[in-house]
Order: sequence, then structure tokens, then C-alpha cells
Amino acid sequence: SQQGEEDPQALSIQEGENATMNCSYKTSINNLQWYRQNSGRGLVHLILIRSNEREKHSGRLRVTLDTSKKSSSLLITASRAADTASYFCATDKDGANNLFFGTGTRLTVIP
Amino acid sequence: GAVVSQHPSRVICKSGTSVKIECRSLDFQATTMFWYRQFPKQSLMLMATSNEGSKATYEQGVEKDKFLINHASLTLSTLTVTSAHPEDSSFYICSAEIGGDYEQYFGPGTRLTVT
Repeated sequence: SQQGEEDPQALSIQEGENATMNCSYKTSINNLQWYRQNSGRGLVHLILIRSNEREKHSGRLRVTLDTSKKSSSLLITASRAADTASYFCATDKDGANNLFFGTGTRLTVIP
Repeated sequence: GAVVSQHPSRVICKSGTSVKIECRSLDFQATTMFWYRQFPKQSLMLMATSNEGSKATYEQGVEKDKFLINHASLTLSTLTVTSAHPEDSSFYICSAEIGGDYEQYFGPGTRLTVT
């Protein structure tokens, strides 16, 4: 069964704007990961945040984690057309490193 | 970086036939490989987890006799869709994990179309 849900389901922004995607999950986790998927392609790992971390940065990406609310957010700053993709959060529900994916957010960055 | 390949990338088969999909870790040994399926515009769903040399662990609702997984070596896992039906048409993605590493490395996926 699906572990997480993301919102919005779809997001369309202008190039240069920031994009924020949210992910909620249901059970306790060891870590939460964000992945990107270009249409018809495999997944690319973006960033991992552990349950004892609250915020993490990687380039133009900023991820937050609130374990009390069981939620995470992914912020992409200064978006580019090449950022157009689907973004998924994934959690290891029971610490066994089986990943359970959220429903994904389809981001479109308009040049 | 770690590379995972899948073969074939696309396959079209007739209803009732079986299709085998290969997942290979090209430059590392994968202690565990995972199989996912993705329906159009939907999220990935974990189907099964396979460890080299042992039986795969299937997620609830996934028929193990229909989706046969073999993980014969540390670099190869195969998923066989037996007696395929049109509803099995989907995008199948594998991933591989280096032991002790949280990160998973994903293959490019296989698009299966059953006619």
C-alpha cells in the first residue's frame, strides 16, 4: 500500500520562481528521500534526510522534515525549465529500506 | 556513480505469453534489488524485494506466481510476468541497493504493453 501522499498533484510555475512540494506519510520512518523522474525515464535520487534532521540543502534544493507532523517539503529555488519532471518522496516505512513512494507532484516550469 | 540497467526498455507481447525483464547492476554488487511498477500518472508501487540467493518478499496484493522474481547473482535480478494480460501493461522499474547504503539506484524502466 502507498505510504505517502504529496501535494499538489500538479504545479505549474514560471522559470525563476520557487517551487514547493509537500509530502505526508503515515508511519514512523528512519529517513525520507526525494526522487525526480523525467517522463518515461527512471528515477534519480535527489536528497535524503534522516529522521533526526530537520532541514537539508543541496544546491537549489531545500528539504525540511517534521516528524511530529509526519511531513516533508521540497523547495526548488530559482526554477529552470529543465526542472520540469515528476517529484516523488519515498520513506522506509519500517526501517528495512523498502521504499514506499508518495503519489508524486508533476512540476512544469514554463520558460 | 552506480549504474543499473534494465532490458528490454520496451516490450510488446500478446496476452497469455510470458515476459522476462532483466535488471543488472553494472559497476557494483547489489545485495538487494527491488521491483516497482508504475501505472500511467500514478506513483510507483513496490512489488517485491529480492535478496541474492533467497526467495523474494512480495508486497501484499502482488501475486508471486504471476510475477516470478529470480535474484541469481549479486548483479542480476529478473522479473518474469507470466501469462500476461492487458492489465499487466505498465512501467516496471527495478532498483538496486549497495549493502548498508540507504540510497537506491534505479534502472531506466521497462515499458510493457500486453495486447
